[in-house]
Amino acid sequence: EVQLVESGGGLVQPGGSLRLSCAASGFTFSSFAMSWVRQAPGKGLEWVSAISSSGGSTYYADSVKGRFTISRDNSKSTLYLQMNSLRAEDTAVYYCAKGASYFASGSYYDYWGQGTLVTVSS
Amino acid sequence: DIQMTQSPSSLSASVGDRVTITCRASQGINNYLAWFQQKPGKAPKSLIYAASSLQSGVPSRFSGSGSGTDFTLTISSLQPEDFATYYCQQYNSSPYTFGQGTKLEIK
Repeated sequence: EVQLVESGGGLVQPGGSLRLSCAASGFTFSSFAMSWVRQAPGKGLEWVSAISSSGGSTYYADSVKGRFTISRDNSKSTLYLQMNSLRAEDTAVYYCAKGASYFASGSYYDYWGQGTLVTVSS
Repeated sequence: DIQMTQSPSSLSASVGDRVTITCRASQGINNYLAWFQQKPGKAPKSLIYAASSLQSGVPSRFSGSGSGTDFTLTISSLQPEDFATYYCQQYNSSPYTFGQGTKLEIK
């Protein structure tokens, strides 16, 4: 059974940093692209970032480019999102999602974690 | 960036009704179109990929169609558990944008 468990969310002040983790199990993690998608309170889904199976290709939404960094440790079956210079508008539930292929491009999301809440507030 | 526009934004229907939700892309996406269902407080669930392929385990009352820039999600006979918010997403080119969502409510 595919499982994706996010952690690392919490309350952080504007300008602060946070690192999210997504522990994966039930599939060969190193063979699939992964992504982060967020949802602000009461709002729709917003794609944040994606990474290829090898980690060699990464993609970002303009709203987080230069502030967030996606990475993965295939030996630990774990996906990360390093978030720096956080703003109030980054407040959201952050979901990790499993891609259905090696490549981030052309890869739909077949499984999702339950999400972790990030709140940016003073 | 590719813009995804869903219609309607909300929809009221009854159990047993046939409903259709539309998603339009601002440019061609090579049928790299997915549909997701989300219930309050829960993670999204994959329903359809490649515009018309049913994700494993999803009931056959769900179907997707379309090509080019215009796509539809159809639920042939609404069940009580289908009342939720539905999102389309293009995964053809980064940023992999979502539609704004369609909230399906009980009439």
